[in-house]
Amino acid sequence: QVQLQESGPGLVKPSETLSLTCTVSGGSVTNHYWTWIRQPPGKGLEWIALIYYSGTTKYNPSLKSRFTLSIDTSKNSVSLKLSSVTAADTAVYFCGGSIDAVYTWDTWGQGTLVTVSS
Amino acid sequence: QSALTQPASVSGSPGQSITISCTGTSSDVGGYDHVSWYQHHPGKAPKVMIYEVTYRPSGVSNRFSGSKSGHTASLTISGLQADDEADYYCASYTIDGTWVFGGGTKLTVL
Repeated sequence: QVQLQESGPGLVKPSETLSLTCTVSGGSVTNHYWTWIRQPPGKGLEWIALIYYSGTTKYNPSLKSRFTLSIDTSKNSVSLKLSSVTAADTAVYFCGGSIDAVYTWDTWGQGTLVTVSS
Repeated sequence: QSALTQPASVSGSPGQSITISCTGTSSDVGGYDHVSWYQHHPGKAPKVMIYEVTYRPSGVSNRFSGSKSGHTASLTISGLQADDEADYYCASYTIDGTWVFGGGTKLTVL
């Protein structure tokens, strides 16, 4: 059974770059495709991006181009980088995978809280 | 990319049925059957309840069902139970190859 675990710094200063990692266990990162979403405090879920096993990426056009998604096969993980963070990027970030069914995100990590503050 | 439209809240008594709507456009909900529904308890991982409009993942109760008409998808929960109380989100694949979520609906079991 594939399991996902997000990890990150917890606290980031404004204007810095946030780096998050989603470690995949119980399966290979190259066999499926992956996504990131986030939930700001008191708000709903927001889709950020996805990456296919080929490395092809798609991003939420409403979030401009501050996000970068990549796969690290040596660590069996997916990473998300967000540049020039602001307080508006404070959120719980979740990674998800499409494992057993196509066109759906059926496996999720528990999420990691990121706070942007000086 | 605009969020799909969901009611902010719905409520029902135990045993009753409720339906949550999710309205999009021809570029997402109306154009594809790649619509899924997620149950989310704050602080926990989202859980897919319905995918491809009508399909239920293994382990999800058959009290949950999905449908779609035009640009609107719907999630119906029958025989409401206390532990159904959660936030529910729809999500759809879009014409750009991206995904879009709904604004979320808070279900209260009275």
